[in-house]
Amino acid sequence: EDQVTQSPEALRLQEGESSSLNCSYTVSGLRGLFWYRQDPGKGPEFLFTLYSAGEEKEKERLKATLTKKESFLHITAPKPEDSATYLCAVLYDYKLSFGAGTTVTVRA
Amino acid sequence: GAGVSQSPRYKVAKRGQDVALRCDPISGHVSLFWYQQALGQGPEFLTYFQNEAQLDKSGLPSDRFFAERPEGSVSTLKIQRTQQEDSAVYLCASSLPKGTLNTEAFFGQGTRLTVV
Repeated sequence: EDQVTQSPEALRLQEGESSSLNCSYTVSGLRGLFWYRQDPGKGPEFLFTLYSAGEEKEKERLKATLTKKESFLHITAPKPEDSATYLCAVLYDYKLSFGAGTTVTVRA
Repeated sequence: GAGVSQSPRYKVAKRGQDVALRCDPISGHVSLFWYQQALGQGPEFLTYFQNEAQLDKSGLPSDRFFAERPEGSVSTLKIQRTQQEDSAVYLCASSLPKGTLNTEAFFGQGTRLTVV
């Protein structure tokens, strides 16, 4: 069965302290890897889609990368407004299989 | 509207009560999904519609759960005889298929169901 594992479960950062979140997956025939941001009480908000190993995408302070077995979400010089839960999901067939998420807290 | 809309945002049900959760997808989006999210967990797939056809209901936890999308737009997730373990956030998402792939799914705010 396809599985998605995210680490760490929680990450506390000082403002400006860069770090990375990990998403490892076991899936035969990856059709896409998605990153979402989820704020408390809200639905997941789409960030990135990656389709093949070596692919990278950036948006403001976030950069997502993909290898054959895992994806990283790099947060560069984070600000308090980057505090959220970041969810990784793999697409197989037509549906998404999510990890449990990494909750990031950025202190000013 | 511009995004996926879900109602109600919050629902408290007594155990044994029936509930109905509504989802208005983004206009023109063919694919519609329901997910269940327990506290501290990622969303778990429940069911999938392409237009009005329910193509996959493998994630529905029991026969107390029923979903429909009769005209290919608005969808309703119904839970009969609610139990405490049904307490969760129910998320609806819609997307526009691109060939055999689905583009990114856009999620609604969710309905938080609490069964007491």
